[in-house]
Amino acid sequence: DTGVSQDPRHKITKRGQNVTFRCDPISEHNRLYWYRQTLGQGPEFLTYFQNEAQLEKSRLLSDRFSAERPKGSFSTLEIQRTEQGDSAMYLCASRLAPGTAQETQYFGPGTRLLVL
Amino acid sequence: AQKITQTQPGMFVQEKEAVTLDCTYDTSDPSYGLFWYKQPSSGEMIFLIYQGSYDQQNATEGRYSLNFQKARKSANLVISASQLGDSAMYFCAMSDLYGGSQGNLIFGKGTKLSVKP
Repeated sequence: DTGVSQDPRHKITKRGQNVTFRCDPISEHNRLYWYRQTLGQGPEFLTYFQNEAQLEKSRLLSDRFSAERPKGSFSTLEIQRTEQGDSAMYLCASRLAPGTAQETQYFGPGTRLLVL
Repeated sequence: AQKITQTQPGMFVQEKEAVTLDCTYDTSDPSYGLFWYKQPSSGEMIFLIYQGSYDQQNATEGRYSLNFQKARKSANLVISASQLGDSAMYFCAMSDLYGGSQGNLIFGKGTKLSVKP
């Protein structure tokens, strides 16, 4: 399978615990995006990387959130001291850089987080 | 700022009939892309169709077509010959396109499509 993969698919944690999610993009894609989707809403942008550089962070990304993309391959999203409001679907997407012929972002299956 | 509006929270369609899902957008960027994604209950966002702002022809992909009316800032999705497997949430999204841009997607709130047998 050469699509975007995410791990784990589901995560249940207790409030105050740290969690880490992983995303493996399509191999030739240099752009990687993280989105969060709460119930009844469309996905909202969190942050993105071009290769290993994190170029933009949304105001939704509080200080408890950190994302990395070492070596420009897979990416991790860590949430420290989780709160119940962090319960959501976390989606990862990848694409070629804008300005190329292929503009589409392809999404992974997402990680559903439930904070108790 | 870019904005996507989907005014239909839910839609019903009879199997084998066509259905139109509405999407209007707002942007000041001259160069942008419009996308439709399908999200089944499993949660994965499945890309359906793309329309660039400078494309002269409406995009088509199999049973999906995008009715792009630039002056009205609308990008409606038409699904022909609906199938039971089309039941899902459908999201309209847009992004800017020029090289060096952020390129993140702005999504609407979605429309839940239910196909009746």
